[in-house]
Amino acid sequence: AQSVTQLDSQVPVFEEAPVELRCNYSSSVSVYLFWYVQYPNQGLQLLLKYLSGSTLVKGINGFEAEFNKSQTSFHLRKPSVHISDTAEYFCAVSEGRGSTLGRLYFGRGTQLTVWP
Amino acid sequence: GAVVSQHPSRVICKSGTSVKIECRSLDFQATTMFWYRQFPKQSLMLMATSNEGSKATYEQGVEKDKFLINHASLTLSTLTVTSAHPEDSSFYICSAPSVGLNTEAFFGQGTRLTVV
Repeated sequence: AQSVTQLDSQVPVFEEAPVELRCNYSSSVSVYLFWYVQYPNQGLQLLLKYLSGSTLVKGINGFEAEFNKSQTSFHLRKPSVHISDTAEYFCAVSEGRGSTLGRLYFGRGTQLTVWP
Repeated sequence: GAVVSQHPSRVICKSGTSVKIECRSLDFQATTMFWYRQFPKQSLMLMATSNEGSKATYEQGVEKDKFLINHASLTLSTLTVTSAHPEDSSFYICSAPSVGLNTEAFFGQGTRLTVV
């Protein structure tokens, strides 16, 4: 089974500042990696995903993440945050099985709070 | 993109009654769906894997008789919380994975269950 570690439970930043949300996972032969955002009392929205190919992945809302196999990390970054980015962010991992996506293993989440 | 619809979004029920939550894949077929439970300020924990046409696979520690799962068709899975108690109050989220080049998991909007 996979384990996912999000090192920071809360990240407060000021508007227009850069931000990095960290994610590490336990090693595996091949994995699929995801970042999701959750607003209060809502489901999860996909920000970006890594399945294969380029290790730098660009997602929605200006977010990007870099897959680092040697460090088993998949940190999420945004160069300039907005107040609307305030939300809970979850890193998730699935063991790769070709084109079939198995269960997701989630990190505990990081609450990003953007202050004016 | 693919949509997963989950209903109801909120439900309040009396202790001892049963509640059914529906999860539908609106524009794709899902042979597998996942049911997660999320406690306040915590991550998503997989409860069970719903398999179309066969029995669900439950995670360790999840009571099969309390959380009944039925995957009657390729677009519908239901979770029934039987004889609900206040400790069953939580946020329940379903997920359906797509297959192919755009592999990802699509999430329902979640159901906030409150047992009084």
